[in-house]
Amino acid sequence: ELKVEQNPLFLSMQEGKNYTIYCNYSTTSDRLYWYRQDPGKSLESLFVLLSNGAVKQEGRLMASLDTKARLSTLHITAAVHDLSATYFCATYPRGSQGNLIFGKGTKLSVKP
Amino acid sequence: NAGVTQTPKFQVLKTGQSMTLQCAQDMNHNSMYWYRQDPGMGLRLIYYSASEGTTDKGEVPNGYNVSRLNKREFSLRLESAAPSQTSVYFCASSELGQTRAGNQPQHFGDGTRLSIL
Repeated sequence: ELKVEQNPLFLSMQEGKNYTIYCNYSTTSDRLYWYRQDPGKSLESLFVLLSNGAVKQEGRLMASLDTKARLSTLHITAAVHDLSATYFCATYPRGSQGNLIFGKGTKLSVKP
Repeated sequence: NAGVTQTPKFQVLKTGQSMTLQCAQDMNHNSMYWYRQDPGMGLRLIYYSASEGTTDKGEVPNGYNVSRLNKREFSLRLESAAPSQTSVYFCASSELGQTRAGNQPQHFGDGTRLSIL
């Protein structure tokens, strides 16, 4: 059974600092998704990582995937308040056609 | 472009009442999903429909039924609501399969906030 674990679950950062959120998954998978959710809002897709070594960047966020280590990271560079949100990673078990498994989310708070 | 539309946005029910949550998508996706989100639990899949005419159980199907009415619409029914079903419910849609389209992310609606007293 696929399990997805994120850490940390809560992260309080100062503006301008760097930090990394980790997403580990327990069984083989070849697709990894990162989503952002603002309080009381829907989920917004950030990144789709489809192969080992994939790296995607958008603004101050960069995501990577290591399928051999079953690990994805979301790196935040020079955080700003607008990045405050909850970030989820999610993946499918290999061969699954519908059962997207989510981590519990990392609640990020960026303080001035 | 509306994307995924859920109704209602808020609802309060009494224990034992029934209710249907509606979801429609206009992206011509084959697959649709229902999730529930509880504090500290992430999103958990209730049911999904890989294509019109098919439905499958997800991680937490007990107490729910679904209907894939047509390609656009996928409804979730609570036959006898229980306080444990108080949650935020999200509908999503996507393509499936190991294809360029199937690898794209799921698109989510704005959610239905359901309280059961």
